[in-house]
Amino acid sequence: NAGVTQTPKFQVLKTGQSMTLQCAQDMNHNSMYWYRQDPGMGLRLIYYSASEGTTDKGEVPNGYNVSRLNKREFSLRLESAAPSQTSVYFCASSASRGSYNSPLHFGNGTRLTVT
Amino acid sequence: QKEVEQNSGPLSVPEGAIASLNCTYSDRGSQSFFWYRQYSGKSPELIMFIYSNGDKEDGRFTAQLNKASQYVSLLIRDSQPSDSATYLCAVNTIDFGNEKLTFGTGTRLTIIP
Repeated sequence: NAGVTQTPKFQVLKTGQSMTLQCAQDMNHNSMYWYRQDPGMGLRLIYYSASEGTTDKGEVPNGYNVSRLNKREFSLRLESAAPSQTSVYFCASSASRGSYNSPLHFGNGTRLTVT
Repeated sequence: QKEVEQNSGPLSVPEGAIASLNCTYSDRGSQSFFWYRQYSGKSPELIMFIYSNGDKEDGRFTAQLNKASQYVSLLIRDSQPSDSATYLCAVNTIDFGNEKLTFGTGTRLTIIP
């Protein structure tokens, strides 16, 4: 059982380049999320998808776009990367967003450096 | 004031002792509380969740919740070197139908053999 799979694991971009982070889950979860983790800042929500066909902004959405391709896949796109987007990105999923005891399952993370 | 506060540590505890990790939160309407463990360079993994006042035990781990004082803690009994990690507190609040999960910055725990 793979759980949540993210690709790539590492990426280096130049300022202005674009890229897409891929995420897939095989737990039949309805909700999916993209977080970034920075030292001293904790995990911050970028975008989430409560269910297939819906996406919503989180705490720090500027500079990002997302696509919920189907129930399994949720991608994060950086259209024009900036050094401030250097971070570790985590995809996560949960059975549902409305259930208050529905824990997150995280992927292994993508370490992105923008120079 | 941060919404979820944790002492960043590092917290050093001798092997076999009890490690006590604390978390305070600002929103009195918060309803569920999670502890995640994150090893260096790895992703967070859920250890426990709690949503009722009092204690909840799972093996060597005990989560304690006091909504009146707005704190949640995690006790790790018989600490092992493998418990050395960063522990993230997360607080879930539902406000006018909008759900928000806020993470603390984490406490780094080191178990000393």
